[in-house]
Amino acid sequence: EIVMTQSPATLSVSPGERATLSCRASQSVRSNLAWYQQKPGQAPRLLIYGASTRGTGIPARFSGSGSGTEFTLTISSLQSEDFAVYYCQQYNNWPPLTFGGGTKVEIK
Amino acid sequence: QVQLQESGPGLVKPSETLSLTCTVSGGSISSNFWSWIRQPPGKGLEWIGYIYYSGSTNYNPSLKSRVTISVDTSKNQFSLKLSSVTPADTAVYYCASWTPGGVTGATFPDWGQGTLVTVSS
Repeated sequence: EIVMTQSPATLSVSPGERATLSCRASQSVRSNLAWYQQKPGQAPRLLIYGASTRGTGIPARFSGSGSGTEFTLTISSLQSEDFAVYYCQQYNNWPPLTFGGGTKVEIK
Repeated sequence: QVQLQESGPGLVKPSETLSLTCTVSGGSISSNFWSWIRQPPGKGLEWIGYIYYSGSTNYNPSLKSRVTISVDTSKNQFSLKLSSVTPADTAVYYCASWTPGGVTGATFPDWGQGTLVTVSS
């Protein structure tokens, strides 16, 4: 099973600032990585797939990078609606499909 | 983009079987793969398994001995059964579309709103 590790667990950022979230895989997942955003009481929403391709309707301030075992999600200028929990998910080796433990982006 | 809606009991007794159904609307269940994912309160996401409309399945090895996912194409529904539940199975259960080999890779583009299932006597 590929273990996905996200850091930090919590990120405190002021509105308008940049947020950088990390995701590490226990072995290479090539570019087969996705990012999801989850707001309280809601289902996750697909933000990024293929490590760097934004999903439908996802604003350009969200960008993904990385390959192999190290990945980054960057939110260039945090808006109020971006404060949420973010999860990475690998789909290179399955079963099982696996998610990271999440990074909570909170208002500083 | 399809819509998904979970339904089923919100409370299940320990050792019994958890049963949930997901109704797909806005598209045919025969056009995709479908998955169940769960999230214990305050914790992360765990993939349970998937089913194709033909009935082929794949499950998370950690749950495989207790999980059955089935599909009813005539009702545009798929279902989850999890046997011998314990309080550790308390979670919000989500159904979702899954797209192996699609444009978005093997990701989950569409989700139901989720349903909380509590395992307690």
